[in-house]
Amino acid sequence: DTEVTQTPKHLVMGMTNKKSLKCEQHMGHRAMYWYKQKAKKPPELMFVYSYEKLSINESVPSRFSPECPNSSLLNLHLHALQPEDSALYLCASSQDQQVGSEQYFGPGTRLTVT
Amino acid sequence: SQELEQSPQSLIVQEGKNLTINCTSSKTLYGLYWYKQKYGEGLIFLMMLQKGGEEKSHEKITAKLDEKKQQSSLHITASQPSHAGIYLCGADASNYQLIWGAGTKLIIKP
Repeated sequence: DTEVTQTPKHLVMGMTNKKSLKCEQHMGHRAMYWYKQKAKKPPELMFVYSYEKLSINESVPSRFSPECPNSSLLNLHLHALQPEDSALYLCASSQDQQVGSEQYFGPGTRLTVT
Repeated sequence: SQELEQSPQSLIVQEGKNLTINCTSSKTLYGLYWYKQKYGEGLIFLMMLQKGGEEKSHEKITAKLDEKKQQSSLHITASQPSHAGIYLCGADASNYQLIWGAGTKLIIKP
């Protein structure tokens, strides 16, 4: 099973709302990732968790707050977003954070900020 | 910093024809990944290449990494409508992150 699940599939939120994106994998992977993807662009890395600890934060604004409650779950908490934050948010996981460890992606959450 | 250049940017191919997509790196590749993405959906992992000269196939898709480990190609034989989508190459960068090519949009004409 190489499945990464993400919920919700679509999310519309106002600039004052607080919402969360969820990601789950049951492959025993120890690295999990959040990416942001704008139309016609490749994914941009936001955060990496390795063994449930934040290992990379790509200078993401504090209105995005990641959380890794356990090795299977990854959340992205959203607060006071801007319209330019509208994008496809992708979660991925890999065996670990090493060279040669392919990443498996979820279907994404399409976020629209109004 | 390392950069990946993909070519062509877009490709329209008659169903049943063969096609090739290229991915060229400015530095030696230590891990090269091919993914496919349908619009608005997640990325589907296709293949990973690590060794110079390595070649892998899955169904009608073959990926190769050249001996110098700076260029990879993705070849599709007898293309089908299900092959349509955006193909992305990714490479392991020195900081354990993936860097990405800009993608190749493939359209299959029936």
